[in-house]
Amino acid sequence: NAGVTQTPKFQVLKTGQSMTLQCAQDMNHEYMSWYRQDPGMGLRLIHYSVGAGITDQGEVPNGYNVSRSTTEDFPLRLLSAAPSQTSVYFCASSTTPDSGNTIYFGEGSWLTVV
Amino acid sequence: AQSVAQPEDQVNVAEGNPLTVKCTYSVSGNPYLFWYVQYPNRGLQFLLKYITRDNLVKGSYGFEAEFNKSQTSFHLKKPSALVSDSALYFCAVRAFYNQGGKLIFGQGTELSVKP
Repeated sequence: NAGVTQTPKFQVLKTGQSMTLQCAQDMNHEYMSWYRQDPGMGLRLIHYSVGAGITDQGEVPNGYNVSRSTTEDFPLRLLSAAPSQTSVYFCASSTTPDSGNTIYFGEGSWLTVV
Repeated sequence: AQSVAQPEDQVNVAEGNPLTVKCTYSVSGNPYLFWYVQYPNRGLQFLLKYITRDNLVKGSYGFEAEFNKSQTSFHLKKPSALVSDSALYFCAVRAFYNQGGKLIFGQGTELSVKP
């Protein structure tokens, strides 16, 4: 059971570089999202999608882009990396946005921007 | 605004003793509350959730949580702690019709179980 799969697991970037964090789920979930985790702050929503072709901003969207061309994939793009984007990134999904549905997380991507 | 708070940054327990990780919430209407666990260098794993009715919710790995509406709390409990329970625990509430039903997290509680 793959669930939510993220790549890469670890990445070091130089300031100004761009990169894409990949996310795929095999559960046919409508809802997908990206969170970042920073010490003492829990997790914060970056972007989310309620279905293919539909994306929207979360709490901390600046510096990130997303797209959702298929139900399965939801990549997160860092346009021009900054040290403030050093964080752990989690992709997550659930069947629908309904509040009672469980959100399942990937294993995380540890990103360091130097 | 909806929010959750975990008042303890760290909880220390001896193996075999009961453990409690505290969570309080602020939600208008019926809350949808979740507990997740994160082991070092791993993703968040779902433990259990409260969506309606049953005040005592049972979850994975022997964990349970008690929902208390009057105290607006949703504490995580386990009768007998294991060293392998040592991890970071997050309480969260799923937002109503806000940013796609995002999860709003507490800041996390580090649980340390010593032999």
